[in-house]
Amino acid sequence: SQELEQSPQSLIVQEGKNLTINCTSSKTLYGLYWYKQKYGEGLIFLMMLQKGGEEKSHEKITAKLDEKKQQSSLHITASQPSHAGIYLCGTTGGSYIPTFGRGTSLIVHP
Amino acid sequence: ETGVTQSPTHLIKTRGQQVTLRCSSQSGHNTVSWYQQALGQGPQFIFQYYREEENGRGNFPPRFSGLQFPNYSSELNVNALELDDSALYLCASSPPERSTGNEQFFGPGTRLTVL
Repeated sequence: SQELEQSPQSLIVQEGKNLTINCTSSKTLYGLYWYKQKYGEGLIFLMMLQKGGEEKSHEKITAKLDEKKQQSSLHITASQPSHAGIYLCGTTGGSYIPTFGRGTSLIVHP
Repeated sequence: ETGVTQSPTHLIKTRGQQVTLRCSSQSGHNTVSWYQQALGQGPQFIFQYYREEENGRGNFPPRFSGLQFPNYSSELNVNALELDDSALYLCASSPPERSTGNEQFFGPGTRLTVL
């Protein structure tokens, strides 16, 4: 089965700082999703990446899928308190069974 | 457009009891997936329903069962509750294209506590 490992597990930054969250897959990724979750709530879709080398941006969040399609990174520029939450990467893999990483908890201090 | 809704929001049960959780999919979505999220973990896929049929299942025992209705709403039933079933249960719906490869829209979840 495919496994996704996220790093770091948690992150505390000062408002205005940049940060990066990584997601590493045990197998080739055939579509990688990034979601944000506020504590105890549902997931909010951020971005989907499918092609090796693909990069997408939404507001101050940029996600990339590396050429070999086994790792993705999520980068937040000039972080704000509204960026706080849990960031999850997910994939369906070749078996179409959805798999998620354990999440990265982000706290942004004003 | 109404998003995915789940009921109840919170539930407390005791070991051995049975529970039914409900989910109304987003308008126009015919696929519903259920996930279990334990504290500090990512969501674990339980199963998916497409046009009222189970369309994929994760590593969960048969005491986890589900239904999808003609209006695409769905139920998750858990029998013989165990302490480890305590978790946030998330429902997600997807539009009519190939479901598991597409964006899923998540509900707010039901927090189940088993005592």
